Amino acid sequence: GAVVSQHPSWVICKSGTSVKIECRSLDFQATTMFWYRQFPKQSLMLMATSNEGSKATYEQGVEKDKFLINHASLTLSTLTVTSAHPEDSSFYICSGPVGSPTDTQYFGPGTRLTVL
Amino acid sequence: QKEVEQDPGPLSVPEGAIVSLNCTYSNSAFQYFMWYRQYSRKGPELLMYTYSSGNKEDGRFTAQVDKSSKYISLFIRDSQPSDSATYLCAMSNSGGSNYKLTFGKGTLLTVNP
Repeated sequence: GAVVSQHPSWVICKSGTSVKIECRSLDFQATTMFWYRQFPKQSLMLMATSNEGSKATYEQGVEKDKFLINHASLTLSTLTVTSAHPEDSSFYICSGPVGSPTDTQYFGPGTRLTVL
Repeated sequence: QKEVEQDPGPLSVPEGAIVSLNCTYSNSAFQYFMWYRQYSRKGPELLMYTYSSGNKEDGRFTAQVDKSSKYISLFIRDSQPSDSATYLCAMSNSGGSNYKLTFGKGTLLTVNP
């Protein structure tokens, strides 16, 4: 399957600071990528759809000014958690759809964010 | 009612057992159905992908979709300890590169040697 990488895999930060998470598609180009959040023992919840060269589309209830998404190239999308608080501590996962309508999403390994 | 319901388990079986996992859904517009496996602290890994109703088999895994009952299943034959993971069902109402997935909560499976 297609390969998606994320960096960093794990980050700890202080409350009030900002954290940037990178998502790269290694063997395909992605005009669209997705960002999910997963709390412990919960399922994946879609946060936003990242669109190359245009603004991201956020799901209801997700603060776009807090979770900044940039999709500057066909292989890189970034999620910046601004002014992070302990309640933002979660597992953040990106995914990229591949090619034709018969393909599906491949997920990155995830980034665990802990806000102290 | 949630769009996708999945029993979170946990489910514990002996090695070699046949495992049955399932999800129900309420949105009749869902056309694409997927099963993902997620190991602890890792991203989900695609296992099976099915369009519309029917069965699909891949090695020890069989996926079934019954759209009339809004019910999907994943069967694992000859289960192995390495199959121990959380299994997530996911579905969408369109294909292409702009669709959104709706996930179940996931079922935690443990296969005991």
